[in-house]
Amino acid sequence: NAGVTQTPKFQVLKTGQSMTLQCAQDMNHEYMSWYRQDPGMGLRLIHYSVGAGITDQGEVPNGYNVSRSTTEDFPLRLLSAAPSQTSVYFCASSSRTSGLSYNEQFFGPGTRLTVL
Amino acid sequence: KNEVEQSPQNLTAQEGEFITINCSYSVGISALHWLQQHPGGGIVSLFMLSSGKKKHGRLIATINIQEKHSSLHITASHPRDSAVYICAVSYSYGQNFVFGPGTRLSVLP
Repeated sequence: NAGVTQTPKFQVLKTGQSMTLQCAQDMNHEYMSWYRQDPGMGLRLIHYSVGAGITDQGEVPNGYNVSRSTTEDFPLRLLSAAPSQTSVYFCASSSRTSGLSYNEQFFGPGTRLTVL
Repeated sequence: KNEVEQSPQNLTAQEGEFITINCSYSVGISALHWLQQHPGGGIVSLFMLSSGKKKHGRLIATINIQEKHSSLHITASHPRDSAVYICAVSYSYGQNFVFGPGTRLSVLP
C-alpha cells in the first residue's frame, strides 16, 4: 500500500494563478480531508469528504474548492492564489468505526506552497 | 464547540529524561489521538485510545474520560524524539477531528 500520496511536494505560484493539489489514498477510506498548517497554529480543516460525491466545508474554506468523484482521489483547487494561502497543506484519510466515528488518520507527506 | 488544549507549549529535556505532555478537552469524545510531526516532516499517528492506557516501545498514552484528560509519556527520551506532538479528538456520528496546538519537544544529547 502506498498510503496517502500528495503531489506536488513544493509549489511556487504568483498571485492570481490557479492550481490543483492532488491527493490519493489506496486504503478504501471513506473520510478524506485537507488541512493547512501555518507557523504557530494548529492544523486547520479546509474541506472534507465522507464518501464519493459528498464534500463539505471546514473551518477555512474560502479560496478553495474540492471534489470527490472516486473513493481514492480528493483534489484541492486554489481558484486564484493569494499570499495568505502560503502554507503547508496536508491531505489525510481515515476509515469509519462501527460506531460511525473515525479511526486513526493517515496523512500525506504535505505540499509546501508559496504564493508570491 | 470543543476546545483541545495542550501543555506545555514547548519543552526542552536532556537525553534520558522522562517526559510528559498533557492534553485536555471540553466535550465528550469518541477517541483521542496522539500524532507526531518531525521538523519539516510529515505527520504520523502514534496512538488512538478511548479508555485506559496504550504502550508502544518507549511511548505510553493514557486517558481519563471522566476528567477529559490525556497524557503522553516518553521514557528514556532520545534526541530522535524531538518533534511536535499533537493531540486530536474524534467524535461519534462522524464529526470532524479537532486538533490541539501541539507541543514542541526538543531532547538535547
